[in-house]
Amino acid sequence: DGGITQSPKYLFRKEGQNVTLSCEQNLNHDAMYWYRQDPGQGLRLIYYSQIVNDFQKGDIAEGYSVSREKKESFPLTVTSAQKNPTAFYLCASSRDGTGQDTEAFFGQGTRLTVV
Amino acid sequence: GENVEQHPSTLSVQEGDSAVIKCTYSDSASNYFPWYKQELGKGPQLIIDIRSNVGEKKDQRIAVTLNKTAKHFSLHITETQPEDSAVYFCAPLDTGRRALTFGSGTRLQVQP
Repeated sequence: DGGITQSPKYLFRKEGQNVTLSCEQNLNHDAMYWYRQDPGQGLRLIYYSQIVNDFQKGDIAEGYSVSREKKESFPLTVTSAQKNPTAFYLCASSRDGTGQDTEAFFGQGTRLTVV
Repeated sequence: GENVEQHPSTLSVQEGDSAVIKCTYSDSASNYFPWYKQELGKGPQLIIDIRSNVGEKKDQRIAVTLNKTAKHFSLHITETQPEDSAVYFCAPLDTGRRALTFGSGTRLQVQP
């Protein structure tokens, strides 16, 4: 089955530790995105990548880092510099981001809790 | 970047009634206007989208209308059912970033 897989579904982290969230897609999509969602709120863009080996900061990139070494993978690292990391993290992909084919498909999310 | 406002934040309707959710955006170059449905604990799912070359699109009980001059688009759900209860997001394309910018969401509750 084609789709986006995020793992793990739930993640607990101690304060001061870095943690990496996985996002893999087998849709052969060029563009991938990371969003953060806080309770009762909309999705905010953290980082996005339109092509392999290239990525850009979104609205709330501070305290996060990403890599895009492979087309199918876009891991997100939440660093200890992120002051309030507890949130629901959503990864998405689209065929491309040019506006011609921008339907975005989402994974099921990772709920990160800092303890 | 794109500024997006979505109204109302909550909407309660009786089963069988219609529901309308409105979204305004700022990027006049935006050409893609989707609506997503999110159920509790899950990722958003696309339910309908429209491109700037049309003014309306329908898919069974769901429709989206677009007013590019006024920079707003709306989601219309007719004959609502309890399974329509969820959070709905508009997410117009930010053409500078080529990424979707999400509204704050509308929690729709359909009372049986």
